Amino acid sequence: GNSVTQMEGPVTLSEEAFLTINCTYTATGYPSLFWYVQYPGEGLQLLLKATKADDKGSNKGFEATYRKETTSFHLEKGSVQVSDSAVYFCACRGGADGLTFGKGTHLIIQP
Amino acid sequence: GAGVSQSPSNKVTEKGKDVELRCDPISGHTALYWYRQSLGQGLEFLIYFQGNSAPDKSGLPSDRFSAERTGGSVSTLTIQRTQQEDSAVYLCASSPQEGGTYEQYFGPGTRLTVT
Repeated sequence: GNSVTQMEGPVTLSEEAFLTINCTYTATGYPSLFWYVQYPGEGLQLLLKATKADDKGSNKGFEATYRKETTSFHLEKGSVQVSDSAVYFCACRGGADGLTFGKGTHLIIQP
Repeated sequence: GAGVSQSPSNKVTEKGKDVELRCDPISGHTALYWYRQSLGQGLEFLIYFQGNSAPDKSGLPSDRFSAERTGGSVSTLTIQRTQQEDSAVYLCASSPQEGGTYEQYFGPGTRLTVT
């Protein structure tokens, strides 16, 4: 089956720092890739997605590029804000069934 | 519009009792998914429905777990003879159609505590 590996953290950064959260996946074929975010006290929500190799997903200043050759989908943001503090989940999906999630990365941004 | 709703939001039950968790998907969404989020296991996929049919039930943790969906809308996840290891947040998601590229919209979850 599919699997997703991501750094678990917590990752603590200062405001305006550059963010990278690494994510690699194992899957057969060409899965779709997703980043979901869970803000404190809120439900999971889609942050961005990419459905084929070399696609770049972007939203709210975050970006991730689907790299087939390295089976990676690293999340980046150039300048983080305190409001970005949340848990970030990388996920993949190969077909009609459910998402396979990584363990989640707890991000803490300090003012 | 209305998102995915789940009830109850919190449920505390005694070991050995049965519980029913309910999910109301976004209107018109044909695909529905159940997940479990726990500290030890992270986010686990349990089962999905396309319409009222669940093609694969192998993700359910044990035969104490069952799920059904009626009218292509509401779904219930039933846990019989609950155990302490069933304590987790149970999440439901819906999607306009099945298929890997469609976004899944998540509900707020039901926090289940088995004492």
